[in-house]
Amino acid sequence: DVKVTQSSRYLVKRTGEKVFLECVQDMDHENMFWYRQDPGLGLRLIYFSYDVKMKEKGDIPEGYSVSREKKERFSLILESASTNQTSMYLCASTGRGDEKLFFGSGTQLSVL
Amino acid sequence: GNSVTQMEGPVTLSEEAFLTINCTYTATGYPSLFWYVQYPGEGLQLLLKATKADDKGSNKGFEATYRKETTSFHLEKGSVQVSDSAVYFCALTPMDSSYKLIFGSGTRLLVRP
Repeated sequence: DVKVTQSSRYLVKRTGEKVFLECVQDMDHENMFWYRQDPGLGLRLIYFSYDVKMKEKGDIPEGYSVSREKKERFSLILESASTNQTSMYLCASTGRGDEKLFFGSGTQLSVL
Repeated sequence: GNSVTQMEGPVTLSEEAFLTINCTYTATGYPSLFWYVQYPGEGLQLLLKATKADDKGSNKGFEATYRKETTSFHLEKGSVQVSDSAVYFCALTPMDSSYKLIFGSGTRLLVRP
């Protein structure tokens, strides 16, 4: 079975902390994505990567950065967590030219 | 710009009732259209898709038809089950960016026995 694995299901951090959210896929996909999901807002794209070391900003990149050193791994970094970054974070991947996204089960981040 | 608008939830139905979840979109040209479903505690998974006008996507008893004239992609099922309780997201990929999904806000469906 194909898999997108996010390292934590629940995470609680304090304001100002540096936070790393990790995502690994085993499908050899070129494209990887980070979304945040908030009630009433649906999913909003934070960053995506179409190749190793390549990244592009999505619709809401402010306060976030990403790292893709290996094809299978895509990390989301909150340099200094703030309470308005409390959210569900979803990682996804897809192959080049393929429109079907495969999602991880999400990380619920609470920033206190 | 590109956007997706879904009916607000929650939608509460009894088992075996008919389901419609409305979805309309704004986009240039001919985007691809999708329905994703998120079961409790899980990530999203693709339910069905349609890539051109008048196409009908179908899966697990769910259907949606790509209507260019009304810019709609409404999700329907003839007889819902308790196991269909989930959040349903309508989405599109623009013609100029086939890997970038734009999602609606999601509609929660609750099916009661």
